[in-house]
Amino acid sequence: SYVLTQPPSVSLAPGETATITCGGDNIEYKKVHWYHQKPGQAPVLVLYDDNTRPSGIPERFSGSNSGNTATLTISRVEAGDEADFYCHVWDPSNHEVFGGGTKLTVL
Amino acid sequence: EVQLVESGGGLVEPGKSLRLSCTTSGFTFDDHAMHWVRQAPGKGLEWVSGISWNSGSIGYADSVKGRFTISRDNAKNSLFLQMNSLRAEDTALYYCAKDIFKSWDHAFDVWGQGTMVTVSS
Repeated sequence: SYVLTQPPSVSLAPGETATITCGGDNIEYKKVHWYHQKPGQAPVLVLYDDNTRPSGIPERFSGSNSGNTATLTISRVEAGDEADFYCHVWDPSNHEVFGGGTKLTVL
Repeated sequence: EVQLVESGGGLVEPGKSLRLSCTTSGFTFDDHAMHWVRQAPGKGLEWVSGISWNSGSIGYADSVKGRFTISRDNAKNSLFLQMNSLRAEDTALYYCAKDIFKSWDHAFDVWGQGTMVTVSS
């Protein structure tokens, strides 16, 4: 079955650029979607199809996908960006797959 | 405003059944695939099941296959999950999620607030 691997945590100061990775076998051939989830809230879609932002998501959020790694980049990180982030792909073997999640902490 | 409201969760004994519902509004329900995603306490997201716009394509996670059944009623803009032979490891917050397109292999652009299912004796 297809597996997505994310770092458990990322920490940085306000104003810095956050990079959250999502590793998977030949992930570059899949469309990757990203969600954030704040404590006690439902997940929110922040990027889909590698690098498309839904309406209402700031331009500070961007994505890339190459080789075995997809990346979510958040520029000029703010305290309000603190959340758990999940990547998601579709795979014919086990359908919808989520990564384990990355906790973003803004120091 | 697009809304998804889950209901039907609760405390149930192992081996028993439960039926979840997701009532939707604010969008054309039969233009979209729908999904159930769960999250065990303190854990990550786990996809449970998905159904295409016309129920022609349905999928399940291996962990629930043969025990759970997804269905939809397009006339009532509603999604359902029949859960049988429940186990302790099914304990989780169950979210209803809307797919961007009619088939269920795309991003989930709207999520409900979830309904909690606790399986315990």
